[in-house]
Amino acid sequence: AQSVAQPEDQVNVAEGNPLTVKCTYSVSGNPYLFWYVQYPNRGLQFLLKYITGDNLVKGSYGFEAEFNKSQTSFHLKKPSALVSDSALYFCAVRDAGTASKLTFGTGTRLQVTL
Amino acid sequence: GAGVSQSPSNKVTEKGKDVELRCDPISGHTALYWYRQSLGQGLEFLIYFQGNSAPDKSGLPSDRFSAERTGGSVSTLTIQRTQQEDSAVYLCASSLGQETYNEQFFGPGTRLTVL
Repeated sequence: AQSVAQPEDQVNVAEGNPLTVKCTYSVSGNPYLFWYVQYPNRGLQFLLKYITGDNLVKGSYGFEAEFNKSQTSFHLKKPSALVSDSALYFCAVRDAGTASKLTFGTGTRLQVTL
Repeated sequence: GAGVSQSPSNKVTEKGKDVELRCDPISGHTALYWYRQSLGQGLEFLIYFQGNSAPDKSGLPSDRFSAERTGGSVSTLTIQRTQQEDSAVYLCASSLGQETYNEQFFGPGTRLTVL
């Protein structure tokens, strides 16, 4: 079985400050990891993914994420938050070898204030 | 090119009625997924189609739910005898090929309200 945990329902950050949205995962094999963002009344937009190779993955809108195998984590980061980054963020995992479906976390709401 | 489209964007129905939700995937994408997003919940996997293979129906919550994909393109999710707990946003996604590393592209969703 595969699972994802996003321990924070909401993260509050001041504009210009760095942000981190946490994600830990569990799979039996090698993980493929994804981050998606959802703006109000919109579908999910793909941000970035980890497949293999460099543990630091760079994605859209200045976001990056670091894969840590020993801690089974894939935290989303951005050096300088913008008010426009305020949205719902979902981490997702898939077992590289076997799974057809993507398992999502429950989401973390990011609120960036001036 | 065009993204994933879904129709209708909103559907209000009465308990006990049947509803059909439509998804048009990105052209050339062979994999298609349906998810359900309930208020305050994450995304719940419903069903997965890959090419001409038998679909993975392991996420369908009851036999009132069914889906088909015609011609390897458009998909319809049907909910029979709707219940109030079926109220949710139904999201469709597609991806290129069956490789599990491919990201999924999501449509805007259909918001279903069962009165």
